[in-house]
Amino acid sequence: QSALTQPASVSGSPGQSITISCTGTSSDVGGYDYVSWYQQHPGKAPKLMIYDVSNRPSGVSNRFSGSKSGNTASLTISGLQAEDEADYYCSSYTSSSTLVVFGGGTKLTVL
Amino acid sequence: QLQLQESGPGLVKPSETLSLTCNVTGGSISSSSYYWGWIRQPPGKGLEWIGSIYYSGSTSYNPSLKSRVTISVDTSKNQFSLKLSSVTAADTGVYYCARLGIPVGDWFDPWGQGTLVTVSS
Repeated sequence: QSALTQPASVSGSPGQSITISCTGTSSDVGGYDYVSWYQQHPGKAPKLMIYDVSNRPSGVSNRFSGSKSGNTASLTISGLQAEDEADYYCSSYTSSSTLVVFGGGTKLTVL
Repeated sequence: QLQLQESGPGLVKPSETLSLTCNVTGGSISSSSYYWGWIRQPPGKGLEWIGSIYYSGSTSYNPSLKSRVTISVDTSKNQFSLKLSSVTAADTGVYYCARLGIPVGDWFDPWGQGTLVTVSS
C-alpha cells in the first residue's frame, strides 16, 4: 500500500479537463510544499511535470497545473489530448525517516 | 543537456548482490545543488525510492531497504552506483537513476531510461 493515495484511474474526452488527486498526511503533503508529479508512458521513464506543488519545469505544457489544499495535492490537465494518456504519479517529501513517498499511480485514459 | 544512463547485469541470482552504475553526462555530479538517487518499479506496479547520495558521499536510504543497500559516488568518473544485497524475486523490476532536488524528496529530474533487473536462478 502506497503512502500517498491516488485514484487508480481517471478518464476524459479530448478537450476536456481532468483532475487527479493525491492524498497524504500532515507529515508529507500537508506539511511541506515539496509535492511533485510525474508522467509515465508505457515502457518509458517517468517525466517531471510539476514540482513544489505548482511549478512547471521548462518545456512542460501550461495545460498542466498543480495545487494543494490541506493534505491533498491535485494535478489538473486542461484541453486533454491523446498524448496525455499515461500513468501519473505524485511524490512528496516526508518528515518521517522514509524521506520520500510516492502515490500508487493513476492511469489516465483519453476517450 | 543533462543525461543519466544506467548500466549493469540484467539477471541476478537469488541471494546474490545486484550492482548498477549510473553515468552522468552533460553536467557535473559534484554540483552542490543536487542529490543523486535510485528509484525502482516492480513489473506493473508503482515507484519506490531506494536511496540517494550527495557528491560528498552523504547518503540517505529507504528504511525498508536500508540493511541491504549501499550507494556510492565516484566524482572522478561522474557516476554513482547502487548495490543491493541478498536479492529475492521481489527485487525484480526496472531500476532508474535520477537527479534529485534539495531536500531529498523534493523532485526527481531527469531520469535515466531505466534498466530491467530480473532476479532468477
